[in-house]
Amino acid sequence: DVKVTQSSRYLVKRTGEKVFLECVQDMDHENMFWYRQDPGLGLRLIYFSYDVKMKEKGDIPEGYSVSREKKERFSLILESASTNQTSMYLCASSFRWRPLAEAFFGQGTRLTVV
Amino acid sequence: DQQVKQNSPSLSVQEGRISILNCDYTNSMFDYFLWYKKYPAEGPTFLISISSIKDKNEDGRFTVFLNKSAKHLSLHIVPSQPGDSAVYFCAATYTGTASKLTFGTGTRLQVTL
Repeated sequence: DVKVTQSSRYLVKRTGEKVFLECVQDMDHENMFWYRQDPGLGLRLIYFSYDVKMKEKGDIPEGYSVSREKKERFSLILESASTNQTSMYLCASSFRWRPLAEAFFGQGTRLTVV
Repeated sequence: DQQVKQNSPSLSVQEGRISILNCDYTNSMFDYFLWYKKYPAEGPTFLISISSIKDKNEDGRFTVFLNKSAKHLSLHIVPSQPGDSAVYFCAATYTGTASKLTFGTGTRLQVTL
């Protein structure tokens, strides 16, 4: 079974803090993604990576950065957390080249910025 | 610009009846569509998919229909069960995007006894 593991289920951080969200997958997937889920807005793509050290901006990259030093690990960084970044963050991974490849998600991290 | 739209935020269906969840898209390049199911405090799980070369795909109680000319797809659940109560997301992608998925806003399905 594919396993995508996010380091924390719940986090509470203060405004201005630097926040790291970690994600690890064990299926040798090339692609990894970070989404955030907000009520009424669905899942919105923040960043994705299709290879080690490669990254591309998604639809809402402002205020975020990412790091992918190893194939199995993809980190999301909030450089200076703000209250409008309070959200559910979801990491996903998938094969890049296999046709019709669905993404597998982690359990999510509920981040609250106070 | 919302390229994948789910216009019904919620749906309530009696157990045993059919649930129909709808999804519309605007990007004609999309050629592969997926449905995900999400329970509270969990990540989405893949449910069923369909390629644009087909107009129907079935998997047990779940059937997805695709109408390319209308840029519309629907998920049918027959019969609906209480365990189907969840938020359902429609997603789309196209060849050349390295399997990057664009999601809709979701529909909350409640199956009542």
